[in-house]
Amino acid sequence: QKEVEQDPGPLSVPEGAIVSLNCTYSNSAFQYFMWYRQYSRKGPELLMYTYSSGNKEDGRFTAQVDKSSKYISLFIRDSQPSDSATYLCAMSEGSWGKLQFGAGTQVVVTP
Amino acid sequence: SQTIHQWPATLVQPVGSPLSLECTVEGTSNPNLYWYRQAAGRGLQLLFYSVGIGQISSEVPQNLSASRPQDRQFILSSKKLLLSDSGFYLCAWSGPGANVLTFGAGSRLTVL
Repeated sequence: QKEVEQDPGPLSVPEGAIVSLNCTYSNSAFQYFMWYRQYSRKGPELLMYTYSSGNKEDGRFTAQVDKSSKYISLFIRDSQPSDSATYLCAMSEGSWGKLQFGAGTQVVVTP
Repeated sequence: SQTIHQWPATLVQPVGSPLSLECTVEGTSNPNLYWYRQAAGRGLQLLFYSVGIGQISSEVPQNLSASRPQDRQFILSSKKLLLSDSGFYLCAWSGPGANVLTFGAGSRLTVL
């Protein structure tokens, strides 16, 4: 069993819809949770990070962490074609650099 | 501001040939440096990390090695490439000025 599970998609949504992404994990020691966005053939870029449980909002993006269920989510409101990318969840026990990544979910936002 | 450079961007190498990928970080001192590999359809896997000059920690046994000859330089090497070494290699850093992990643009290696 992988430590971090993420549906690879692709997830296709019409422009303006809400994109809902999630990951599950098995290691209860994870405390830091991140979401990265990766465009084709580019390096991942950090979208959001949260510490422990709770919600965090940044513009059109909302990240949620439920440690009791070992489940994290990312919501993208008012999706745009420019949001088309692969979204990677990542988490760690206490290091900003030694991360466990999900396989990534490919998102396609159609005009 | 801090920037990370990684090269070459693309590399096609025959099996058994050597490899050298280079990464440098600008705008910070004593960063933590990392090499990740992304295989097709899979998540990123941490290969090596370094917290200082000459210090290397390996996360997985493999055909690759890493070195850190200078504070802001990180090199990934192999003496003889295998087909299974193909992938997208990403250098990253964290530390002073940016606690979160920041990636370079990546180097795509194809071993034929």
